[in-house]
Amino acid sequence: GAVVSQHPSWVICKSGTSVKIECRSLDFQATTMFWYRQFPKQSLMLMATSNEGSKATYEQGVEKDKFLINHASLTLSTLTVTSAHPEDSSFYICSANPGTGAAYNEQFFGPGTRLTVL
Amino acid sequence: LAKTTQPISMDSYEGQEVNITCSHNNIATNDYITWYQQFPSQGPRFIIQGYKTKVTNEVASLFIPADRKSSTLSLPRVSLSDTAVYYCLEGSYNQGGKLIFGQGTELSVKP
Repeated sequence: GAVVSQHPSWVICKSGTSVKIECRSLDFQATTMFWYRQFPKQSLMLMATSNEGSKATYEQGVEKDKFLINHASLTLSTLTVTSAHPEDSSFYICSANPGTGAAYNEQFFGPGTRLTVL
Repeated sequence: LAKTTQPISMDSYEGQEVNITCSHNNIATNDYITWYQQFPSQGPRFIIQGYKTKVTNEVASLFIPADRKSSTLSLPRVSLSDTAVYYCLEGSYNQGGKLIFGQGTELSVKP
């Protein structure tokens, strides 16, 4: 099946710093990728749609200047959490669909990145 | 807001069949019903998808009645490794893969 990877798997940073999270589709190309955030014991919340070669589409309530998304190639999307604060500590997950061979709503998710802001 | 409703938690024992039901009171004509599984600290994994009647794969079965107002995910003979959170979702091809997750059902399988 299609594989999506994320890097790093976990990161600890100081308050006020920026953190970049990478999402890669390893064996397929993805013009669209999605970013989710998940707090402990809660469901996944869709943050934004990452579009290759164009601006990301953010969900209502998500600060686009704080969560910068760049989809520079067909296999890589990055999420940068700028000026991170402890309330940004969460589990960040990306997903993508390879198109061919996958069901309509079959998204392949990365393993997630655990961000802890001190 | 999520469009589906499902039990918050369920308990089962190894070897039993588990059925998790989800309500789709406002499902649209073009929407498919999809179920995902998520283990702690991992990304969700696609289990099964259907539109109407019954769909079966090597992992589970999905039952959708004619009115499509509900769906039931059936896991045969669960094991401890099936302990996870299970999400039911609705969505159509037109939404481009965007998934809206509800609260999910936390299934606990006991020995």
